[in-house]
Amino acid sequence: QLTQSPSSLSASVGDRVTITCRASEGISSYLVWYQQKPGKAPNLLIYTSSTLPSGVPSRFSGSGSGTDFTFTISSLQPEDFATYYCQQIHTYPYTFGQGTMVEIK
Amino acid sequence: QVQLQESGPGLVEPSETLSLTCTVSGASISTGGYYWSWIRQQPGKDLEWIGNIYYSGSTNYNPSLKSRITISVDASKNQFSLKLNSVTAADTAVYYCARDHQHWYFDPWGRGTLVTVSS
Repeated sequence: QLTQSPSSLSASVGDRVTITCRASEGISSYLVWYQQKPGKAPNLLIYTSSTLPSGVPSRFSGSGSGTDFTFTISSLQPEDFATYYCQQIHTYPYTFGQGTMVEIK
Repeated sequence: QVQLQESGPGLVEPSETLSLTCTVSGASISTGGYYWSWIRQQPGKDLEWIGNIYYSGSTNYNPSLKSRITISVDASKNQFSLKLNSVTAADTAVYYCARDHQHWYFDPWGRGTLVTVSS
């Protein structure tokens, strides 16, 4: 089980945004972050807790291992307003966090 | 560029079977190295992993749905499918398929298809 917080937040362009994800059991670094915009499928942002796929802007970062993980946007951009989900991919069944909606302040 | 596309009825009657197909282009399912997953998102709710399949037919299912689901693969058509039986209104959701880099991440995802359970 993953507990993601906060469930929503309001921020301004340029702000630093941090989202946390806590696993009920240790999952090593098998933690993924996705971005989802309304009406769209989730889009991969970070895998193995901190690895950015090619093409993902460096303002996105992740950290953590075991049960506690953090996702950060260093300087929020207009296109970053979306919902963010964590996912544990360590053990079946794969599970997702409840999502964090990042809204414009 | 790998692309996935879900297809199937958008409306299913209660107690009937929901059937969806995911067609993969830009990659061959039979090459191996990846699992292929189904995920759903009920309106306004979180993502729920349904299950996955390897090209060999090996499957993993979410225990919460295991008694009602069957995932199969047709490598000759480069497709994999989901069947969910005895559906209720609670199964109304957007259903996504995705390439499952097992224990790494899901990428890419299909665009998703909304399935409504209603009479």
